[in-house]
Amino acid sequence: ETGVTQSPTHLIKTRGQQVTLRCSSQSGHNTVSWYQQALGQGPQFIFQYYREEENGRGNFPPRFSGLQFPNYSSELNVNALELDDSALYLCASSVTGGSYEQYFGPGTRLTVT
Amino acid sequence: RKEVEQDPGPFNVPEGATVAFNCTYSNSASQSFFWYRQDCRKEPKLLMSVYSSGNEDGRFTAQLNRASQYISLLIRDSKLSDSATYLCVVNWGSNYQLIWGAGTKLIIKP
Repeated sequence: ETGVTQSPTHLIKTRGQQVTLRCSSQSGHNTVSWYQQALGQGPQFIFQYYREEENGRGNFPPRFSGLQFPNYSSELNVNALELDDSALYLCASSVTGGSYEQYFGPGTRLTVT
Repeated sequence: RKEVEQDPGPFNVPEGATVAFNCTYSNSASQSFFWYRQDCRKEPKLLMSVYSSGNEDGRFTAQLNRASQYISLLIRDSKLSDSATYLCVVNWGSNYQLIWGAGTKLIIKP
């Protein structure tokens, strides 16, 4: 196991609602990256947090936002949920200043109805 | 051209056979390369990093060709448990963001 945890495991929300997903990084890791993975596709980079600041962002609208806390854990917030937001949301932890290797949590499966 | 491209497969391979996948990437400034394995409805798991000189880990061999901008993964003596989707991953320039291919599905048949 990687030591990266995510909560909740599954979530069902209605279009227009807001959701918060949580991630605890592996011990010793200072960076958290968030990905969205739709069925049959590779993970799509949402954003990365390092030292509690956003350190790069993929092609996702501003209604996707995040936080990183002093203990390196992180949250992903999605406002105004759309049906297309239904996906597996993956959190990966890594060490900025080290290798590029990322280690994933089990993911949160979000269904928007 | 996609940033990272893989043949989606599926590759249907008999148990014990050797199978190889390629992956091409578009950013010549990329420095780090990985293969991840993902089982159905699970998170990706790091299989191996890919080094310039090529590297081997048991039955798995990874190669990098910078001139042609592709990496490869060779699996020898394939096992039923090797059935999974194999994702090619490349860092984007000098930052720590990773770009992922869509994956190649491998099915090992008894």
